Amino acid sequence: RKEVEQDPGPFNVPEGATVAFNCTYSNSASQSFFWYRQDCRKEPKLLMSVYSSGNEDGRFTAQLNRASQYISLLIRDSKLSDSATYLCVVISSASGGSYIPTFGRGTSLIVHP
Amino acid sequence: DTAVSQTPKYLVTQMGNDKSIKCEQNLGHDTMYWYKQDSKKFLKIMFSYNNKELIINETVPNRFSPKSPDKAHLNLHINSLELGDSAVYFCASSPGGYGLADTQYFGPGTRLTVL
Repeated sequence: RKEVEQDPGPFNVPEGATVAFNCTYSNSASQSFFWYRQDCRKEPKLLMSVYSSGNEDGRFTAQLNRASQYISLLIRDSKLSDSATYLCVVISSASGGSYIPTFGRGTSLIVHP
Repeated sequence: DTAVSQTPKYLVTQMGNDKSIKCEQNLGHDTMYWYKQDSKKFLKIMFSYNNKELIINETVPNRFSPKSPDKAHLNLHINSLELGDSAVYFCASSPGGYGLADTQYFGPGTRLTVL
């Protein structure tokens, strides 16, 4: 079983649509969760952190469900510029007091006119 | 000013050669990372250093050797390059010690092609 799983998509949606992605993780002791965005041939960039209480940043809402071990990202009123790959990141403790980040494979979003 | 920089941006080389990729961050961060993103776009951590100390060493062939001369630099040397090493290599840094759960800032990537 992969540690962090995402539906690769692509999700093909019209402008203005609402779209949601899920990401499941296998390590119940995972500590921190993030969504990153990666544009084609570019580096990943932080989109938002994910908190147990849920958090919102403009059109983006992230949720964490520890009981079911998944995080979600909701994008409202999709824009053409939202087209990208969305990477789920789960950080778990490792040996020696360090923390190891594990990335999902990413979900591709294509927003069309 | 570029926060995390990598050189070179593109690297094309023959099998069997040895090559190095350099990374520098001017953010004052304590932790630096090397990732490999293969053709299937899967981003996998290779190494992590905290203030010049190796803290994460994933199952990477020992042909790959990271070196951190100071906490602002983390270089990656690859010996005896193989076709399967072709990928995009990303350097990243984060402010916390020991990779504490916080934001990572990525460099622009080095696209390595082994012929």
